[in-house]
Formats: sequence, C-alpha cells, structure tokens
Amino acid sequence: SSELTQDPAVSVALGQTVRITCQGDSLRDYYASWYQKKPGQAPVLVIYGKNYRPSGIPDRFSGFSSGNTASLTITGAQAEDEADYYCHSRDSNHLVVFGGGTKLTVL
Amino acid sequence: EVQLVESGGGLVQPGRSLRLSCTTSGFSFGDYVMSWFRQAPGTGLEWVGFIRGKAYGGTTEYAASVKGRFTISRDDSKSIAYLQMNSLKTEDTAVYYCAREGSGGSFYLYYYFDFWGQGTLVTVS
Repeated sequence: SSELTQDPAVSVALGQTVRITCQGDSLRDYYASWYQKKPGQAPVLVIYGKNYRPSGIPDRFSGFSSGNTASLTITGAQAEDEADYYCHSRDSNHLVVFGGGTKLTVL
Repeated sequence: EVQLVESGGGLVQPGRSLRLSCTTSGFSFGDYVMSWFRQAPGTGLEWVGFIRGKAYGGTTEYAASVKGRFTISRDDSKSIAYLQMNSLKTEDTAVYYCAREGSGGSFYLYYYFDFWGQGTLVTVS
C-alpha cells in the first residue's frame, strides 16, 4: 500500500482555485514533487522542491508543504488542467513512493 | 534537447521474459539516476525500480512487487537503461515508462523526475 495518501477525486469550477493534498510521514523529511498525468500521455512534472516549477509549467501551479502534508494548488483552473495528479516522495526506506493519485475534474 | 524513448514492449506469455530499453539523448546520462515506472490499466503510477549513476556504483533498488524478477541495468557508453523482466505475470501488464531523476536540497531533500519517455505497453497474456 502507498505511504502517501491523496483524495481520489476533486472537482473545481473553471477559473476557480483548487488544492490537492498529499499526506505521509516521509513528507516531514522530503519535499514532494507533483505530476500531471493525462490518458495516453507521459507524466509531466509540475512542481518540485520547496515550490519550483519546471520550464513551461504555468505559474497558476504552486506547491506548499507543512508537517506531513504537501499540497498542489491550481489558481484559476483551466479546462486543460483536467487530469490525474500524483505526489511523489521517498518512503522510510528512502525508496520511491507515489500517492494513489487525485482525479481532477474541471467543471 | 533531452529525450527518452522506451522500446521493447509487446505481448508475452506468463512466465516468459522481456527486455525493455530506454534510449536517451541530450544529457550526461552517466551522471543520473534512471528509474522505471509502470501504470496498469485503471490504476495509478507505480515505481518499479531505479539504477544509480556511476558515481554511486550503478547500484539498483526495486519495488517489492518486482524484486527478484526484474533487473535494471545501464550502458553509459550508449546512454541506454534496460529493464529485464523475468517470470512475467498477468499483473505485470502495464505501460512502462522510464524517467530521469533529479535531486536537490541540503537539510530538506527533494527528488523529482523531470523527463519521461512516452511509454511502452507490455501485455502479459
């Protein structure tokens, strides 16, 4: 079972703000990174480290971490943001672990 | 431009073997940890394993679900990572991805996968 816990599904109205959360004890030691996954496409890194965005990722994506919880916020969600979002970190054995994913629906 | 391209997927019978390749370009391959992931139909992303770079002896780590059956290797001269899959099971059916790992931080560390291949489908049936 995953050591990172995400809500299975979240919805947001077009143009509104949505927060996707990820909980796990390892997040007290490591920052999470976040990935956007659309059907038939490779995952795309959207946030990593304290709150870094790779080149090409819109600034409406941001990250925050506190205690055992990391969050990904999309400020002004767009239709193209509809996707599955996964958090990632390391577990207690310093191995890779992903959250179960959150399906984001943009209404 | 960084590129990763997986190949070698296909249909294979249970109990048989398959080797996937991740051919890369555009970066200093030997300096990076390379990971393999998979996504079975209707499920989430699952990490399969990784291989460290030459600075760390090219050592490997695996998820419990594949340990002892899958082996990751690398050819730094060709910039290719491999995933050897033995004793395949129907539950290994998935799209398999390779990705490059980055890392940073000092006291508070972070890891991330910044470049991914497009994936290759493995069907065990």
